[in-house]
Amino acid sequence: EVQLVESGGGLVQPGRSLRLSCAASGFTFDDYAMHWVRQAPGKGLEWVSGISWNSGSIGYADSVKGRFTISRDNAKNSLYLQMNSLRAEDTALYYCAKDFYAAMVNGYFDLWGRGTLVTVSS
Amino acid sequence: QSVLTQPPSASGTPGQRVTISCSGSSSNIGSNYVYWYQQLPGTAPKLLIYRNNQRPSGVPDRFSGSKSGTSASLAISGLRSEDEADYYCAAWDDSLSAPWVFGGGTKLTVL
Repeated sequence: EVQLVESGGGLVQPGRSLRLSCAASGFTFDDYAMHWVRQAPGKGLEWVSGISWNSGSIGYADSVKGRFTISRDNAKNSLYLQMNSLRAEDTALYYCAKDFYAAMVNGYFDLWGRGTLVTVSS
Repeated sequence: QSVLTQPPSASGTPGQRVTISCSGSSSNIGSNYVYWYQQLPGTAPKLLIYRNNQRPSGVPDRFSGSKSGTSASLAISGLRSEDEADYYCAAWDDSLSAPWVFGGGTKLTVL
């Protein structure tokens, strides 16, 4: 079955760190770019970060640049998001999403996971 | 404040045709494809329309997309109760360091 399964979310205090994971199955993971998209409670979608098939191209939203790091392990069919210096405004459901293309250029998200909830609160 | 502008809500009765608009600029909709995502209550978004007007396999032909200039629209004909969901438009933006931009979403209510 073609699917993405996120994990690693939870309740964390402001300023602390958290690492999200996304396990891919049912498709050739290293043929595609991958992304993280988040949705704050009751709000819309926001692209957070993306990584090309070979990790050669990486991008971040301005809101997380310098604090979050995306990475992937093609041997393990896994995508990661290291989140440091977390803030209350980072509270959201974090989705892992597959790109239609291998490169990070003008693609789109054709497969989404169910998300993992990150709550930043003291 | 989303880069793409959508009405926050839309509604219709079963069998009706409804449209949802998405307004952008020359750096996003004006020069790139538009995509639409459907998010049913409590679920992850799902790709509904790609490259302005293409439907992925499995999406009913009741759903159609169009684009003109810096605006796009999603049309749903023969409205059904199961179409009640949030709908988001999205596009690549040439001018931003964070190139994927979304609309704020439109909540469709089937009366």
